[in-house]
Amino acid sequence: DGGITQSPKYLFRKEGQNVTLSCEQNLNHDAMYWYRQDPGQGLRLIYYSQIVNDFQKGDIAEGYSVSREKKESFPLTVTSAQKNPTAFYLCASKEQGGGYGYTFGSGTRLTVV
Amino acid sequence: RKEVEQDPGPFNVPEGATVAFNCTYSNSASQSFFWYRQDCRKEPKLLMSVYSSGNEDGRFTAQLNRASQYISLLIRDSKLSDSATYLCVVNKKSNFGNEKLTFGTGTRLTIIP
Repeated sequence: DGGITQSPKYLFRKEGQNVTLSCEQNLNHDAMYWYRQDPGQGLRLIYYSQIVNDFQKGDIAEGYSVSREKKESFPLTVTSAQKNPTAFYLCASKEQGGGYGYTFGSGTRLTVV
Repeated sequence: RKEVEQDPGPFNVPEGATVAFNCTYSNSASQSFFWYRQDCRKEPKLLMSVYSSGNEDGRFTAQLNRASQYISLLIRDSKLSDSATYLCVVNKKSNFGNEKLTFGTGTRLTIIP
């Protein structure tokens, strides 16, 4: 079955460490997105990529980095520069064009300890 | 002003009742509109797209008013399984062809037996 897979489901990080969250899709979607969700808040866009080897900053890109070397993969690195990284991270993908909604992965819950 | 604003809720509604959610968006260039459903600690899932002509899917009816920049969702004969957070979502395409979704903070609905 086609879908989008995020791993790990739960991640604990010590302060000062970089961590990388995985996002893989086999839907053949061109566009991929990373969102962050905090309690009581909506999803906020971190980075997005419309095509391989290209990506753009979203609304809250500071302290994060991404790469898009393959169409299927869009990993997100949370760096030590991100001051408040504890959150629920969601990856999504979408077919280019059309009015179709996005498909989300099941999310990674990151906690800084 | 937030790009997408929703009734904050929470809405506590008896089973079988009809409930309506409202949402307004600020960017008149927005092109696609959606309602997503998010269960506790899960990823958002597409409930339905929203069209100017209005659209219905079983007990759910969505409506878009472009002139007023207003989106609505109506749930009839509510079920216990409808308890969730409902997210109003707006998609905009830039002049460069980049698309991104903007999410409202969501309205929490609890159906009471």
